[in-house]
Amino acid sequence: DIQMTQSPSSLSASVGDRVTITCRASQSISSHLNWYQQKPGKAPNLLIYTASTLQSGVPSRFSASGSGTDFTLTISSLQPEDFATYYCQQSSSTPFTFGPGTKVHIK
Amino acid sequence: QLQLQESGPGLVKPSETLSLTCTVSGGSISSSPYYWGWIRQPPGKGLEWIGSIYFSGRTYYNPSLKSRVTISVDTSRNQFSLKLSSVTAADTAVYYCARTFGGPYFFDNWGQGTLVTVSS
Repeated sequence: DIQMTQSPSSLSASVGDRVTITCRASQSISSHLNWYQQKPGKAPNLLIYTASTLQSGVPSRFSASGSGTDFTLTISSLQPEDFATYYCQQSSSTPFTFGPGTKVHIK
Repeated sequence: QLQLQESGPGLVKPSETLSLTCTVSGGSISSSPYYWGWIRQPPGKGLEWIGSIYFSGRTYYNPSLKSRVTISVDTSRNQFSLKLSSVTAADTAVYYCARTFGGPYFFDNWGQGTLVTVSS
């Protein structure tokens, strides 16, 4: 199985901050990397697919990049509604696996 | 607008079989290139992919659960289902159904999730 790690596991930030989350795969997954946002009590919501493609309806302050084993998700200017947990997911091979999540707290 | 809705018992006894159904509305389960999947999340923990199915019946399972999992599809009812046998407390989780865009295999539409507790 491909193992996914994320850093940091949590972070505190203020509205307007630029936030970067890192995801690493245990082996190369090319660009087969997706990002999700999950708020408490809700299902995850797709933000980014194939490493850098913004899902329809997702604000442009979200962006992502990377290939191979190292990927990043960036929120250019954190908004109140962005406080949530973010997960990466590899879709290079089954079993599809998720990272452990990064929780973004209000500072 | 596509909607997915999980249904099934919220409480299952240890050693029994967990059974859930996902009803798809606002779109056809037979649409290409979509697969239909199950993902679970134990309370306070991360996400685990259980498996996915194509409308033709082709399935992919997580090897960690494969011996206990069956996913099936009913195109006439626009539904797909999950059965997980021999459950233990470790199977207590919120179970989500989700549409999977085949090829890139990302989960682009999710149900709201249903909590299944395994307890006697």
